Amino acid sequence: DTTVKQNPRYKLARVGKPVNLICSQTMNHDTMYWYQKKPNQAPKLLLFYYDKILNREADTFEKFQSSRPNNSFCSLYIGSAGLEYSAMYLCASSYRGPDGYTFGSGTRLLVI
Amino acid sequence: QEKVQQSPESLIVPEGAMVSLNCSFSDSASQSIWWYQQHPGKGPKALISIFSNGNKKEGRLTVYLNRASLHVSLHIKDSQPSDSAVYLCARANYGNEKITFGAGTKLTIKP
Repeated sequence: DTTVKQNPRYKLARVGKPVNLICSQTMNHDTMYWYQKKPNQAPKLLLFYYDKILNREADTFEKFQSSRPNNSFCSLYIGSAGLEYSAMYLCASSYRGPDGYTFGSGTRLLVI
Repeated sequence: QEKVQQSPESLIVPEGAMVSLNCSFSDSASQSIWWYQQHPGKGPKALISIFSNGNKKEGRLTVYLNRASLHVSLHIKDSQPSDSAVYLCARANYGNEKITFGAGTKLTIKP
């Protein structure tokens, strides 16, 4: 199985409420990534885990948290959702660096 | 910050035509360039990558990289309706764990 699974496919959240998105992979990839994709914009890297080490991008450092309790699972957590968080969230995984990411189908988040 | 620019934003061609997609990147330190294909409702899928100056051919796909001009292009021969998708160009730095994407080109192949 060479897939990355994301749950849920669609998520509706209220402004100010927390959001937790889930991603899993069974390929034993050492690196897992979270991207935010808005219409007509490039996917934007939010953070990634290399093994157990979390790396967050400087401009989104305080907005997103993540956990990776085991090699297969990674979550993305928004503590207090704002309207600007409405987007597609893509999870990806790879082995030993950026070569050949495998992406999930994404979670479409709508904040109202 | 590394930037990736793609052109055109969208493209409509008849079935069987040759398709050419363009991508430029902002620094010569890019180690590898990737093209991803994304169908509606799906995540991006890696199509082809290139590391060295020159060209690389895989099936109906050919990619050309010119590091001096910081430009890469993807050519799809004998295009088919199933090729209709958004094509994302991406670059990675040597030793960097992450890649930077362009905004994509939306390709439509008319039967």
